Amino acid sequence: EPEVTQTPSHQVTQMGQEVILRCVPISNHLYFYWYRQILGQKVEFLVSFYNNEISEKSEIFDDQFSVERPDGSNFTLKIRSTKLEDSAMYFCASRGLDSIYGYTFGSGTRLTVV
Amino acid sequence: AQSVAQPEDQVNVAEGNPLTVKCTYSVSGNPYLFWYVQYPNRGLQFLLKYITGDNLVKGSYGFEAEFNKSQTSFHLKKPSALVSDSALYFCAVRDHPGDMRFGAGTRLTVKP
Repeated sequence: EPEVTQTPSHQVTQMGQEVILRCVPISNHLYFYWYRQILGQKVEFLVSFYNNEISEKSEIFDDQFSVERPDGSNFTLKIRSTKLEDSAMYFCASRGLDSIYGYTFGSGTRLTVV
Repeated sequence: AQSVAQPEDQVNVAEGNPLTVKCTYSVSGNPYLFWYVQYPNRGLQFLLKYITGDNLVKGSYGFEAEFNKSQTSFHLKKPSALVSDSALYFCAVRDHPGDMRFGAGTRLTVKP
């Protein structure tokens, strides 16, 4: 069964450093998403991406965040200058053009900012 | 904009008893409704969905959910709970072509 792959599974970074979280969506999917979950809490929408541009973003997704699909297979989330409160589990998801179903989620990247 | 509410932070049931995890939603159009489960230190795992048709939908691991349009609810149920069902459960909603929004989650604990 096709999977969404996220790397790394766990990343520790110092406050103020840039991080890039990587995702490989399912190959024929066209819509891509990032969500985050602060430990054990609500899953929060960050951003959706379609046709090489952001479709929608939440208030969490400020100027420190950016997304990119650099090579047609990877979908990345960059945090320019990490803060302690960015520590969370970040989930990537994707869905196909005709899909009326739920998204397929990756297993997540746990980001720890120290 | 779509939203979903899970009124209970925690649900405790005894093994073998029926369980219900509540969810209500708000959308402007026809809802697409979903349940996901998250086991400790794991990602989000799809359980079941309602798109259209029969109001009672069946999903993985013996779970089912009932769509009630008049009450705007989509409660998750299982006739007989197992200890292994203990996890965090998230209800989610989309109104096409909107993006998915999750509820705050309900922690289900099934005691032997």
